[in-house]
Amino acid sequence: GQNIDQPTEMTATEGAIVQINCTYQTSGFNGLFWYQQHAGEAPTFLSYNVLDGLEEKGRFSSFLSRSKGYSYLLLKELQMKDSASYLCAVRDGGYGGATNKLIFGTGTLLAVQP
Amino acid sequence: KAGVTQTPRYLIKTRGQQVTLSCSPISGHRSVSWYQQTPGQGLQFLFEYFSETQRNKGNFPGRFSGRQFSNSRSEMNVSTLELGDSALYLCASSLTSDLNYGYTFGSGTRLTVV
Repeated sequence: GQNIDQPTEMTATEGAIVQINCTYQTSGFNGLFWYQQHAGEAPTFLSYNVLDGLEEKGRFSSFLSRSKGYSYLLLKELQMKDSASYLCAVRDGGYGGATNKLIFGTGTLLAVQP
Repeated sequence: KAGVTQTPRYLIKTRGQQVTLSCSPISGHRSVSWYQQTPGQGLQFLFEYFSETQRNKGNFPGRFSGRQFSNSRSEMNVSTLELGDSALYLCASSLTSDLNYGYTFGSGTRLTVV
């Protein structure tokens, strides 16, 4: 089956660092995405990992280990505006990679406190 | 450049009615995917269209259907609406050849079935 697990909620302090973990078990794999979603808004793209290792983009970094079915999103120098839901999504496998089906976890609601 | 445009933003329908939602992707994006988002289930894949062809379909009943036009605009239709169809419906477009920019989501259509 297809299963993506993330913690439901996390709390962190402004200025701190937080790591949101994601484990997945899917029948196919063609990349892993992280999205941020503020309440009532559309998900916005944060990062994409298709090979093992760390991808860094400013205050956000994402790590992937395909052999372990594991990823994390690292947020540094937390700001109040980072309070949002963070969604981990796996791009499903398919013949020749010709699929844009994303399988989402249920999301991690991050609350940043002063 | 313009983002992904979904219309209408809000919709209230009665059980048994049908509804059509529209999605205009970013210019040049040929892939359009649809998702249903509910508090309990998170984001679930409905279907994907590429060059007017349905490439993937999620585990939804046949009451959910869609199509894509030659200009890449897509519509989804839900017939015989049920209370459980109340949800945020999101569409996403992408340049499959370069996923480093991820999938761009529209603001969604909030459907309420009464």
